[in-house]
Amino acid sequence: EIVMTQSPATLSVSPGERATLSCRASQSVSSNLAWYQQKPGQAPRLLIYGASTRATGIPARFSGSGSGTEFTLTISSLQSEDFAVYYCQQYNNWPPGGTFGGGTKVEIK
Amino acid sequence: EVQLVESGGGVVRPGGSLRLSCAASGFTFDDYGMSWVRQAPGKGLEWVSGINWNGGSTGYADSVKGRFTISRDNAKNSLYLQMNSLRAEDTALYHCARARSPGSSGIYYFDYWGQGTLVTVSS
Repeated sequence: EIVMTQSPATLSVSPGERATLSCRASQSVSSNLAWYQQKPGQAPRLLIYGASTRATGIPARFSGSGSGTEFTLTISSLQSEDFAVYYCQQYNNWPPGGTFGGGTKVEIK
Repeated sequence: EVQLVESGGGVVRPGGSLRLSCAASGFTFDDYGMSWVRQAPGKGLEWVSGINWNGGSTGYADSVKGRFTISRDNAKNSLYLQMNSLRAEDTALYHCARARSPGSSGIYYFDYWGQGTLVTVSS
């Protein structure tokens, strides 16, 4: 089973600054990588799929990049509503629902 | 608007059973595969089980195989998870999620999620 490792575990950022989150796969997942945002008490929300395609309604300040084993989610200018936990998920290899990273919490500096 | 609303969670003793339900609306339910994804308290996300559009293909995480059964009723726009032989480690918030798969890979990501229903296994 592919292991997804996210770093850092916690990222402290000031509003308006750029945030860069990393996700590493233990073996290649091609571009079959998704990113999700989860706020306390809420369901996860799909941000990015195919490593770089924004989901419906996702603002342009969110961008994804990478392929193979190294991926990045960038939030170009953090807004107050962006402080949340972010998860990556590979959907290239078994199990059918893929595997998730442990998450990165983006908190207010 | 796509909506997924879970129900059926609760407190159950180890070895007990529960049946979770997910009511879907705002999309053509039988056009999509569906899944259950759980989140232990304060922890990350773990895929539990998935089912294709007509119920003809199902899959399970190793941690629940042989104990959990996923099913769907397209006439009722509903997804279910029958959970038997529950263990303390099954304690989690269980989310229903709509599955999307590139091509015919059979491996998917999730474009809509419900808020979840809490299952607590404790004596």
